[in-house]
Amino acid sequence: DAKTTQPPSMDCAEGRAANLPCNHSTISGNEYVYWYRQIHSQGPQYIIHGLKNNETNEMASLIITEDRKSSTLILPHATLRDTAVYYCIVVSQAGTALIFGKGTTLSVSS
Amino acid sequence: EAGVVQSPRYKIIEKKQPVAFWCNPISGHNTLYWYLQNLGQGPELLIRYENEEAVDDSQLPKDRFSAERLKGVDSTLKIQPAELGDSAVYLCASSLRVNTEAFFGQGTRLTVV
Repeated sequence: DAKTTQPPSMDCAEGRAANLPCNHSTISGNEYVYWYRQIHSQGPQYIIHGLKNNETNEMASLIITEDRKSSTLILPHATLRDTAVYYCIVVSQAGTALIFGKGTTLSVSS
Repeated sequence: EAGVVQSPRYKIIEKKQPVAFWCNPISGHNTLYWYLQNLGQGPELLIRYENEEAVDDSQLPKDRFSAERLKGVDSTLKIQPAELGDSAVYLCASSLRVNTEAFFGQGTRLTVV
């Protein structure tokens, strides 16, 4: 599976959009980009995933570049409860387990 | 619908003692995972089941760790004997299939003293 690179930490003001980048320059055509987050003392929580097209759900939006080498997770109006570690993971369509990196620690402050 | 249920939530044991963790996945989920998470690190895969078959256990330290998933539903992860370095959070997750979103339990925090 392709590896991902994320900044170790980011800050965001409450109510503002949080844009979390992820680099996956070695991604192959049959690999999806998944995002999970982990709030302190809880298990990881699925946020969103995509293959080529941009995706949006009730939690976030996922923007994937046309060459698929990077993506951005957007939390449109961050709240204090969005403070968590965010993991960007590339998953083979053929099916392998999630391989987590260190993720990005997002701190939302008032 | 209930999510992935793990028990116990916390466990403190002395080194060299055995310990077991239990996981009840979401009903109908064929794929079950056990992960280990050390402080400040992302979860690391220990084993993946497809129904009752362990299809990826390459990261499971088989000299002391064992797992089973009887009838392809509940699963148990065992450590015998436990070592100080086994102190971590043990997470269980399940998914409909291996390439669909996974749902995680709250984990079992193990402390070996």
